[in-house]
Amino acid sequence: QKEVEQDPGPLSVPEGAIVSLNCTYSNSAFQYFMWYRQYSRKGPELLMYTYSSGNKEDGRFTAQVDKSSKYISLFIRDSQPSDSATYLCAMTDSSASKIIFGSGTRLSIRP
Amino acid sequence: DGGITQSPKYLFRKEGQNVTLSCEQNLNHDAMYWYRQDPGQGLRLIYYSQIVNDFQKGDIAEGYSVSREKKESFPLTVTSAQKNPTAFYLCASSMTYPPTYEQYFGPGTRLTVT
Repeated sequence: QKEVEQDPGPLSVPEGAIVSLNCTYSNSAFQYFMWYRQYSRKGPELLMYTYSSGNKEDGRFTAQVDKSSKYISLFIRDSQPSDSATYLCAMTDSSASKIIFGSGTRLSIRP
Repeated sequence: DGGITQSPKYLFRKEGQNVTLSCEQNLNHDAMYWYRQDPGQGLRLIYYSQIVNDFQKGDIAEGYSVSREKKESFPLTVTSAQKNPTAFYLCASSMTYPPTYEQYFGPGTRLTVT
């Protein structure tokens, strides 16, 4: 079993829709959770970072962490074609010696 | 502009040849990392270095080698011993103090071995 599981998609939604991207994990030592966005043929860039259970909002993006269920989500409101990318969840324990990445979900927003 | 550069963007090699991928950063970060990305598998850690002249193996180090002679540079050599070298290779860097979990990635090098 992988430490981090992420639905690979692809996920295709119309512009303006609310998007939900999810990851589950098995290691209860994970404390820091990140979402990276990766455009085609580019390196990933950090989108959001959180370390506590609950919600963290940044503009149209909300990161949600449920440590009791070992489940994290990224919500995108009012999705735009420019949001079309692969989204990778990532997490690490307090040592941060190694970050474990999910396999990525490919998202396409239709105009 | 501060950032990470990787060169070349595309690289083609014949089987049996060693090839070196370049990674340079001007962010003054202590830590640098090499990842391999294959379709449907996310990023897998090859090697990482938290300080000059020191580096550690990641999850898939076999068939790869690195050096860290300068803070700014962390080249990766893909040797002929690597059984499936065709992949997208990503270099990243991060601060070690104050501790941060954010890694900054380069644009990647797509290596094709035939």
